[in-house]
Amino acid sequence: DARVTQTPRHKVTEMGQEVTMRCQPILGHNTVFWYRQTMMQGLELLAYFRNRAPLDDSGMPKDRFSAEMPDATLATLKIQPSEPRDSAVYFCASGLGRRLDTQYFGPGTRLTVL
Amino acid sequence: KQEVTQIPAALSVPEGENLVLNCSFTDSAIYNLQWFRQDPGKGLTSLLLIQSSQREQTSGRLNASLDKSSGRSTLYIAASQPGDSATYLCAAYFSGGSNYKLTFGKGTLLTVNP
Repeated sequence: DARVTQTPRHKVTEMGQEVTMRCQPILGHNTVFWYRQTMMQGLELLAYFRNRAPLDDSGMPKDRFSAEMPDATLATLKIQPSEPRDSAVYFCASGLGRRLDTQYFGPGTRLTVL
Repeated sequence: KQEVTQIPAALSVPEGENLVLNCSFTDSAIYNLQWFRQDPGKGLTSLLLIQSSQREQTSGRLNASLDKSSGRSTLYIAASQPGDSATYLCAAYFSGGSNYKLTFGKGTLLTVNP
């Protein structure tokens, strides 16, 4: 049963600390998306990659957020330094080429910044 | 700005009732529209995808319609069951931009009471 995995599932940290979230896309998928979900803003796209290359990260605060794909099986989203307003659930999704109906979501990382 | 709106934010119905969830979007240049289900603490599961050339899609007890001219989509759930309780999100791909970018509504929290 292929699925997107995310670690950690929950993270509590203090303001100013670095946070790294990891995502393992479904094997063979070549697009990876990072989303953030909050009560106020709903689900927002932060960044996405195709064939490991970043295509758009305009939704991401550039001064503190960075997203990378070191290899085809790992995507990372890093926040440094973290702030309380970063508290949210961060979802990773993977998809296949231009099939727009094949975004599969991971279970999310619930981040709390104190 | 391209936006997706869902009303109501929450809906509670007795088991067995037929119900309609509403989604509206601000730009008629829509490529396709997708309905997702989100269970508490979980990621998103795609339910139905409607291409811009289509008027509706059906899957089991679910039927989604798309009216581009009025900027509206509806998700019809027949004979609702307690297991249908979840948050339902609609999301749109808008033409002219990247085909990979989904714009989400904030969702409707559905509770089906036994």
